[in-house]
Amino acid sequence: DADVTQTPRNRITKTGKRIMLECSQTKGHDRMYWYRQDPGLGLRLIYYSFDVKDINKGEISDGYSVSRQAQAKFSLSLESAIPNQTALYFCATTRTGGDEQFFGPGTRLTVL
Amino acid sequence: GQSLEQPSEVTAVEGAIVQINCTYQTSGFYGLSWYQQHDGGAPTFLSYNALDGLEETGRFSSFLSRSDSYGYLLLQELQMKDSASYFCAVRREIKAAGNKLTFGGGTRVLVKP
Repeated sequence: DADVTQTPRNRITKTGKRIMLECSQTKGHDRMYWYRQDPGLGLRLIYYSFDVKDINKGEISDGYSVSRQAQAKFSLSLESAIPNQTALYFCATTRTGGDEQFFGPGTRLTVL
Repeated sequence: GQSLEQPSEVTAVEGAIVQINCTYQTSGFYGLSWYQQHDGGAPTFLSYNALDGLEETGRFSSFLSRSDSYGYLLLQELQMKDSASYFCAVRREIKAAGNKLTFGGGTRVLVKP
């Protein structure tokens, strides 16, 4: 089945460490998104990409960077992790003009 | 800026009907989406309204009034498996053929026997 996958699924790290979260999709979609979810705050958009050469900041991009290595891959990096970046991170994809975003299973990140 | 308001929690019994309201304030409004998320799971798409009116998909229906900046999700014949969080999300058109979602804080629905 065409799918959205995220690695790792869980990660515990220490303050100041560099962390990369990876997202891959086999849906052939060109739009990809990174969200962060904190309890009671819903999902907030970190970065989004409409194609390999088009990357845009979302609501809460400070402290994060991204790389769109190919149409199918979109990585999120925390250059120097801090405890308030502890959260659940979701990658999502959608096709051009599509109504539905398809979410990966999420990465639970804990920064000590 | 943008804001979305939805109730934080709703409790109902099996077989009942639940309506989750969502009011929004945003520029560049294109449509309203609804997503379901079970504990520990990923959000999954339920419905999308771009035009005023009611969209029905099985036991779930979604309504939009653009003039009132208001929508709702109606869950009918509630089942235990409907216990989950439900998020409304405003779709805004940023660029041609692109879209961006802004999510509400979610409504936790608890279905009791």
